[in-house]
Amino acid sequence: GQQLNQSPQSMFIQEGEDVSMNCTSSSIFNTWLWYKQDPGEGPVLLIALYKAGELTSNGRLTAQFGITRKDSFLNISASIPSDVGIYFCAGRRGATNKLIFGTGTLLAVQP
Amino acid sequence: GAGVSQSPSNKVTEKGKDVELRCDPISGHTALYWYRQSLGQGLEFLIYFQGNSAPDKSGLPSDRFSAERTGGSVSTLTIQRTQQEDSAVYLCASSSGRGSNEQFFGPGTRLTVL
Repeated sequence: GQQLNQSPQSMFIQEGEDVSMNCTSSSIFNTWLWYKQDPGEGPVLLIALYKAGELTSNGRLTAQFGITRKDSFLNISASIPSDVGIYFCAGRRGATNKLIFGTGTLLAVQP
Repeated sequence: GAGVSQSPSNKVTEKGKDVELRCDPISGHTALYWYRQSLGQGLEFLIYFQGNSAPDKSGLPSDRFSAERTGGSVSTLTIQRTQQEDSAVYLCASSSGRGSNEQFFGPGTRLTVL
């Protein structure tokens, strides 16, 4: 099935560092979502974006809906060990309710 | 319940057998979704329910896959004559309705086909 291009594929950082990851698509989306998945669990919604240019924060997390509507990024500031996991972007386009997911970014944080 | 629940959490089956996977959405959520996640991959959409009807079945990979939803609540995903490539984690999500894009996921069912 179709998936969004998400990068980087993985990141290995030190505790306290900032992190940035992004998703791009050749198609326009009208909603962007960012999820985090821990091992053996389902994805948990972090941030939802509904308007082009929208910038939304959730604690140390900040996400933006790209102005072209074809991309989104997620920033994590001052990373901590519990930030470890796989981060997925997801987009919705047109009238459909289904989400198209990115390929995921594996984040490892060294204490 | 408080969240989306799925059962079983793990299922090991032999090639050629049928399996049924169950999803209990968040109470009151009218929309329900099934996704498949292969090892190290993102999530692949399978089917979407609004109430008991399925307006979008476009992600079902073959006619061996089917799903139903009864009473606007519980859904069952059935895979007939399972193949080894069906091995994956099957995730269910629900949302409050047509206008909501915020999908809440269950823990998934890990299916292994030997």
